[in-house]
Amino acid sequence: GDSVTQMEGPVTLSEEAFLTINCTYTATGYPSLFWYVQYPGEGLQLLLKATKADDKGSNKGFEATYRKETTSFHLEKGSVQVSDSAVYFCALMGGAQKLVFGQGTRLTINP
Amino acid sequence: DTGVSQDPRHKITKRGQNVTFRCDPISEHNRLYWYRQTLGQGPEFLTYFQNEAQLEKSRLLSDRFSAERPKGSFSTLEIQRTEQGDSAMYLCASSPERQRNTEAFFGQGTRLTVV
Repeated sequence: GDSVTQMEGPVTLSEEAFLTINCTYTATGYPSLFWYVQYPGEGLQLLLKATKADDKGSNKGFEATYRKETTSFHLEKGSVQVSDSAVYFCALMGGAQKLVFGQGTRLTINP
Repeated sequence: DTGVSQDPRHKITKRGQNVTFRCDPISEHNRLYWYRQTLGQGPEFLTYFQNEAQLEKSRLLSDRFSAERPKGSFSTLEIQRTEQGDSAMYLCASSPERQRNTEAFFGQGTRLTVV
C-alpha cells in the first residue's frame, strides 16, 4: 500500500539556519503530495502541496518539489524563525482518496 | 467560522464506558475522514465517507468503533467499551469531491483519555 517516510526528529536549529526535512513516498499511480504543520496546541494545517511531477509547492518561505524520479518531496526553508517551531508531516493522497501521513518531524528553532 | 468543527475538544472517560464524538465538516464538502493520532506519531486513517456512504474502514477500526454520517453532513464516531489503548487524539477532516487528490481540511481534534 501507499506509504510515506520522513526523516526522524527531533530537529533543533538556530534562528536563520537553513532547513531541510526529508520525505520519500511509495505509491501507485500519481499521488498528490502535501506538507502539513501542527503548531503547539493547534490542529493540522496545510502548509503546501504539489499535484504532479516537477511541481513546486511554496508557502511562508517553505518550498518542496515533487520529484517522481526519486519519489521525494523534501521540505526546505532558507532562513527559519522561532515561530516555525512545530511538528511537520509529509503526506500523500493517491487513488484511494485518503491521506497517508509520515510519522512527523518535530522542529525546534532556538533564538 | 466555516472550518471543520469537532466536539468535544476533550473527553475523559472510565474504561468500559462508551463515548461519542461529533464532527461538522466544511459546508458542501462531500468527503469526511476520521483519523487517530497518538503521541509522537502521524495521523492514522480510520474511515471515510463520501456523502452518507462509508467507503472504507481501516483494519485499525475494531468492532467497538462505529462511524455514521446519516444525512451526508455531520458525522459521529462512537467507541464502545473503551480501553486505555483508545486514548488518543481523534481528528476529523473534510474535502470537496469535485477535485481528485485534493487536500483535506482538519478540525482541532477531540482528545480522548481513558482512565
